[in-house]
Amino acid sequence: AQSVSQHNHHVILSEAASLELGCNYSYGGTVNLFWYVQYPGQHLQLLLKYFSGDPLVKGIKGFEAEFIKSKFSFNLRKPSVQWSDTAEYFCAVNAAAGNMLTFGGGTRLMVKP
Amino acid sequence: NAGVTQTPKFQVLKTGQSMTLQCAQDMNHNSMYWYRQDPGMGLRLIYYSASEGTTDKGEVPNGYNVSRLNKREFSLRLESAAPSQTSVYFCASSLNNYGYTFGSGTRLTVV
Repeated sequence: AQSVSQHNHHVILSEAASLELGCNYSYGGTVNLFWYVQYPGQHLQLLLKYFSGDPLVKGIKGFEAEFIKSKFSFNLRKPSVQWSDTAEYFCAVNAAAGNMLTFGGGTRLMVKP
Repeated sequence: NAGVTQTPKFQVLKTGQSMTLQCAQDMNHNSMYWYRQDPGMGLRLIYYSASEGTTDKGEVPNGYNVSRLNKREFSLRLESAAPSQTSVYFCASSLNNYGYTFGSGTRLTVV
């Protein structure tokens, strides 16, 4: 079975700081990888996804993520965060041949103005 | 374009009561899912339906039942609610695993 680990549970940054959120997964086969964001009181929205090809994926709102297969990682990055990025971020993975999307425990990001 | 619609948005139940959470999607997706979200635990899959007429258990199915009524609708039933089922429930749908669309959630409190 696949599993996803997000090592940072809470992150506090000041505006304009750079962001990197870690995500590691365990699964031996081909996977699809996702990052979702949940703003306070809202549902999950897709930030970016990786299926194949260029391991550096660019998403909405200036976010990007890099798939490093050898490290089973899919870290999320943003060069300069804004107060409006305050939210909870979830990494998720599903086996390319499967049906179950498995989520990490989430990282709660607070950006101080 | 509604996407995934969940009802109700909020519900308070007494221990032992039953209820059904409704979910409908209008994107012609073949797969549908029910997740629960609890603090620090991310989203955990309760049940899913890969296609119309099929359902399978996810990570935390105990205490729940589901019905894939047709391609559009996938309901989640709590037969005898327990305080441990207090959570936020999300329905989602996907087309061949290439993208998951989530509903706005149901916040359930069992007292």
